[in-house]
Amino acid sequence: DVKVTQSSRYLVKRTGEKVFLECVQDMDHENMFWYRQDPGLGLRLIYFSYDVKMKEKGDIPEGYSVSREKKERFSLILESASTNQTSMYLCASSFYARTFAIKFGPGTRLTVL
Amino acid sequence: AQKVTQAQTEISVVEKEDVTLDCVYETRDTTYYLFWYKQPPSGELVFLIRRNSFDEQNEISGRYSWNFQKSTSSFNFTITASQVVDSAVYFCALGLKTSYDKVIFGPGTSLSVIP
Repeated sequence: DVKVTQSSRYLVKRTGEKVFLECVQDMDHENMFWYRQDPGLGLRLIYFSYDVKMKEKGDIPEGYSVSREKKERFSLILESASTNQTSMYLCASSFYARTFAIKFGPGTRLTVL
Repeated sequence: AQKVTQAQTEISVVEKEDVTLDCVYETRDTTYYLFWYKQPPSGELVFLIRRNSFDEQNEISGRYSWNFQKSTSSFNFTITASQVVDSAVYFCALGLKTSYDKVIFGPGTSLSVIP
């Protein structure tokens, strides 16, 4: 069964810590995305990548960075975690040529204390 | 402006009732896509349907049906004879072909089906 996996389902970190959220897909997808989900706001795009080492800012990139060194892996980095980054983070991937056939991971619920 | 509105934040129904989830979208693009996703308590988004802007045919899939009306910019979702397993958060979304597959999500509607 093809899938998108995220390294942790739940994560608790302290303010100021550097946080890495990892995402791996096994579908050879070119596109990978990081979304943040908050109640009443839906999903908002943080960053996306359309190829290895390529990245583009989404709608809310402030306070985040990303890394894509291999096609199957897309990492979201919180350089210095803050309490307002407490949220659910969803990774997704898709083929470039297939319109919106997006596959989502199970999500990581991050709490920053 | 490009936006998706789901005016119903939370809905509760009794099992076997029909329920309609509303979705209104805004875009000036002539080509776009509309989606519904289901997010059960487990957290993973499940794709339900995709429609493109040129296909206004309504669709039925088992107990699910979708009503796309371009004239009112709406893409409503009806569950017939609801079941407890339908309890989830449902997201309506708008897809735009830019340099990437841009998807704009609505805020979601939390549906509780009570036995």
